[in-house]
Amino acid sequence: DGGITQSPKYLFRKEGQNVTLSCEQNLNHDAMYWYRQDPGQGLRLIYYSQIVNDFQKGDIAEGYSVSREKKESFPLTVTSAQKNPTAFYLCASSFSGTVADSPLHFGNGTRLTVT
Amino acid sequence: DAKTTQPPSMDCAEGRAANLPCNHSTISGNEYVYWYRQIHSQGPQYIIHGLKNNETNEMASLIITEDRKSSTLILPHATLRDTAVYYCIVRVSQTQGGSEKLVFGKGTKLTVNP
Repeated sequence: DGGITQSPKYLFRKEGQNVTLSCEQNLNHDAMYWYRQDPGQGLRLIYYSQIVNDFQKGDIAEGYSVSREKKESFPLTVTSAQKNPTAFYLCASSFSGTVADSPLHFGNGTRLTVT
Repeated sequence: DAKTTQPPSMDCAEGRAANLPCNHSTISGNEYVYWYRQIHSQGPQYIIHGLKNNETNEMASLIITEDRKSSTLILPHATLRDTAVYYCIVRVSQTQGGSEKLVFGKGTKLTVNP
């Protein structure tokens, strides 16, 4: 089945450590996205990539980094510079990042807890 | 800032139609209306989208007013599994000067009661 896989589902880290969240898609989508969701809140965009080897900052990129070396993969690194890293992280992809008639499809998220 | 307004919560009886409203009074001519839903601790699920015309798929129907300033998502026969937070968002093509910064507001918490 085609889809978006995020791993792991739950992740625990100590404060001061960098951590990388995995996102893989086999939908042959060009565009990929990372969102963050806090309790009772909507989704906020961290980074997005419309094509391999290119990505742009979203609204809350500080303390995060990404790479897009392969079409299928868009890993997110939460660095120690991110002040409030504990959150639910969602990865999404769409056929096109520039055409509005292109739904986003989401993974099931990674819940990161930093203590 | 969210470009849509939705009621924070709604209730619906199982088997009845659920009609979820969304106000997008500042929508532009090239912006699509999208609906997603999110069940607790899962990723949002795409439901339906439209530009001007009403749309229907296996999950729901989308009714967009003629002036496009509001829309209604209709779940024709709600089940307990439809209990979720429903998000209405607008999306504009970046090639037409828009942004990929899709803004999800807080959505509508729909509770389907037995």
